[in-house]
Amino acid sequence: GAGVSQSPRYKVAKRGQDVALRCDPISGHVSLFWYQQALGQGPEFLTYFQNEAQLDKSGLPSDRFFAERPEGSVSTLKIQRTQQEDSAVYLCASSQEGGLSYEQYFGPGTRLTVT
Amino acid sequence: KQEVTQIPAALSVPEGENLVLNCSFTDSAIYNLQWFRQDPGKGLTSLLLIQSSQREQTSGRLNASLDKSSGRSTLYIAASQPGDSATYLCAVTNQAGTALIFGKGTTLSVSS
Repeated sequence: GAGVSQSPRYKVAKRGQDVALRCDPISGHVSLFWYQQALGQGPEFLTYFQNEAQLDKSGLPSDRFFAERPEGSVSTLKIQRTQQEDSAVYLCASSQEGGLSYEQYFGPGTRLTVT
Repeated sequence: KQEVTQIPAALSVPEGENLVLNCSFTDSAIYNLQWFRQDPGKGLTSLLLIQSSQREQTSGRLNASLDKSSGRSTLYIAASQPGDSATYLCAVTNQAGTALIFGKGTTLSVSS
């Protein structure tokens, strides 16, 4: 594909429900990142994969958040027992190589609203 | 802990003006700095990437500078156009080199 794609684009969940957000990075990109962007704020780092290895998950706010990238391409961010404070836009980004010397390309995001 | 600050938070200018957006960061140990543009309801578009060893990068009407020692970067936009209206975000790498740390952005409005 031409760029990073994310699905769904919008998700409304009732408090307590589990959600799964999908990211399709640019084909062949080694690195994949998840960010959370609250309204009026800059994106905040959640987790980083290099191929299938999750090298940094220090930004995940609680153990309700879980991310995986089992085959080193598509990634899923799962949020269990959603809370209202989880409402945000979740952005996925990928870059060509490992590390941050390379430009990150962002998807359009998934807007999650927890009611 | 790395912190990124962007000033001003919002800026309104008439078409044709040259303008400067400011970004400062607290820890000079960065790999690179990126400037992004975000349109409402959309993802981020990378504008310029400055490696830590570089002083500036240019793309069209955009010029970004980096002074790592003072923890500052500026994004200069020449001859602004209404289509430049967006939120501009500055980001630097974290110490582990595994993620970007973003500022809150500057929301630019260019009127015709």
